[in-house]
Amino acid sequence: DAKTTQPPSMDCAEGRAANLPCNHSTISGNEYVYWYRQIHSQGPQYIIHGLKNNETNEMASLIITEDRKSSTLILPHATLRDTAVYYCIVRSPYTGANSKLTFGKGITLSVRP
Amino acid sequence: NAGVTQTPKFQVLKTGQSMTLQCAQDMNHNSMYWYRQDPGMGLRLIYYSASEGTTDKGEVPNGYNVSRLNKREFSLRLESAAPSQTSVYFCASSVAKETQYFGPGTRLLVL
Repeated sequence: DAKTTQPPSMDCAEGRAANLPCNHSTISGNEYVYWYRQIHSQGPQYIIHGLKNNETNEMASLIITEDRKSSTLILPHATLRDTAVYYCIVRSPYTGANSKLTFGKGITLSVRP
Repeated sequence: NAGVTQTPKFQVLKTGQSMTLQCAQDMNHNSMYWYRQDPGMGLRLIYYSASEGTTDKGEVPNGYNVSRLNKREFSLRLESAAPSQTSVYFCASSVAKETQYFGPGTRLLVL
């Protein structure tokens, strides 16, 4: 699986959009970009994933650049409950038997009132 | 639909004691996983089960055993607990290699 790079932390004001960047310059053609988050003391939570096209669901939007070397997770109206560590993971759905998720250090998002 | 459940939530053991962490999922997923999370280390895969009746080692299997009891349940056993096994343990499940869904975790302290 390709490596990802995320800044260690960022903050945003409640009610504003939070744009979380991720670099994955070595991504290969069949690898997806996944985003998970982990709220303090809870298990990781799946947010969204995508291959080439931008994706949106009830939680967030995922914008992937045309060259696929970077992406941005957008939380359109951040709330205090969105304060968490966000993990960007690049992964092939065709991974062999060891289909583990590789969680890096992620980015800590702090939403301020 | 409870998703992935884990028991117990907290446990304190003495060195050398044994225990089993339980995990169950009600999403009819084929694959199940056990991870541990330590400060500054991220999540590390201990064991996984691609389907009922199969189990395989992950990154850090030493000191652990697993049982895939049926499609719903995947247990993790510590035969002789050590302080190095103090951690938060997460169980997850998925349909084949798709999105993984995690349980709330078990916090284990080995004295």
